[in-house]
Amino acid sequence: QQQVKQSPQSLIVQKGGISIINCAYENTAFDYFPWYQQFPGKGPALLIAIRPDVSEKKEGRFTISFNKSAKQFSLHIMDSQPGDSATYFCAAPRDDKIIFGKGTRLHILP
Amino acid sequence: DAGVTQSPTHLIKTRGQQVTLRCSPKSGHDTVSWYQQALGQGPQFIFQYYEEEERQRGNFPDRFSGHQFPNYSSELNVNALLLGDSALYLCASSRVGRVSEQFFGPGTRLTVL
Repeated sequence: QQQVKQSPQSLIVQKGGISIINCAYENTAFDYFPWYQQFPGKGPALLIAIRPDVSEKKEGRFTISFNKSAKQFSLHIMDSQPGDSATYFCAAPRDDKIIFGKGTRLHILP
Repeated sequence: DAGVTQSPTHLIKTRGQQVTLRCSPKSGHDTVSWYQQALGQGPQFIFQYYEEEERQRGNFPDRFSGHQFPNYSSELNVNALLLGDSALYLCASSRVGRVSEQFFGPGTRLTVL
């Protein structure tokens, strides 16, 4: 049973554009919603995270929007750059382990 | 601080063989978790070790086993390798109960022929 569903599977965005990746979760017990960034040959690295008591969190060009009633959260990358090209995973920790989505391969065109 | 280190970087084995992967946690971390990441997929939780004991386990067969040493480093062992075991194996460390602080290593790429 997939507890975290991510879309789209892949995304191509022009340099300077906005990249948007969406995630839906099933378990209302989740209380922390991170996004991870993974470059080829590297492990996932925590990019930004939000707790369900706020609806939005911004760190530089990266923003998480959280909709508790819809059980959805999304990652927005403003002014997308070629260096942002990577695979992004939404996730939700449960019982001290992390449940990952299937990932979105983002490619930023120069 | 070198962060989480894993060895080897790459490994090629044949079906039926056994493999051991190694992980050294980030300084100050006492808990090690292992994940399997198949090509094009998100990481899947295998198991977690704390105080040299398996603390919890994901949906993986008994062919997957592990160990944690007194210095908090850990090993992942896979017996009777199958083609489907080909994947990137990730180690993550944290302080116990602080899953939001899990820090991932670069992984070991295992290819089973």
